[in-house]
Amino acid sequence: DAGVIQSPRHEVTEMGQEVTLRCKPISGHNSLFWYRQTMMRGLELLIYFNNNVPIDDSGMPEDRFSAKMPNASFSTLKIQPSEPRDSAVYFCASSFSGFTYEQYFGPGTRLTVT
Amino acid sequence: QKEVEQNSGPLSVPEGAIASLNCTYSDRGSQSFFWYRQYSGKSPELIMSIYSNGDKEDGRFTAQLNKASQYVSLLIRDSQPSDSATYLCAVWVNRDDKIIFGKGTRLHILP
Repeated sequence: DAGVIQSPRHEVTEMGQEVTLRCKPISGHNSLFWYRQTMMRGLELLIYFNNNVPIDDSGMPEDRFSAKMPNASFSTLKIQPSEPRDSAVYFCASSFSGFTYEQYFGPGTRLTVT
Repeated sequence: QKEVEQNSGPLSVPEGAIASLNCTYSDRGSQSFFWYRQYSGKSPELIMSIYSNGDKEDGRFTAQLNKASQYVSLLIRDSQPSDSATYLCAVWVNRDDKIIFGKGTRLHILP
């Protein structure tokens, strides 16, 4: 079975530009998570969805960040406008909700904002 | 403040020895505990989950949970150079429906 799919794998953009990251969860999983990882802050949960509904977005750093999950097989994380401090690796993960919440991560998108 | 603490390392262990990784957490409402392995430049990979006190074994890996002392550990027996990676401890606090990751421990297995 295919794992979590993310695109693009690498993104280089200039400050002020809009960035859209995409994620396709594992088929059958109904929870989806967006994370950001940096050396300084480690792995941080930004937002997660359960059955396409955002449950907790308290980790979203500010209004420049937004996430959507229009259906069970697709989610986007958008940054507008982007800033150099947004440079990080962004991971998407999915799980089958329930007691276990074992998450499976995608390969990540390395974002560089110049 | 809900926190998950890990020693950042690096932890150096000779090949064939037992590697012991530890994690403490602050919220007593935590109920689900996970260990992820992350190779440099790669994504985290789930290797163990544990939900009740005691030990859980899977191959060369053993997870240990002590809720009274609020710690969870991971033992890797017969360590191999391929085990060299960063190990992330994650705690799911069911009450708050939130997962918190530690910053990870870098493990280096010496050939």
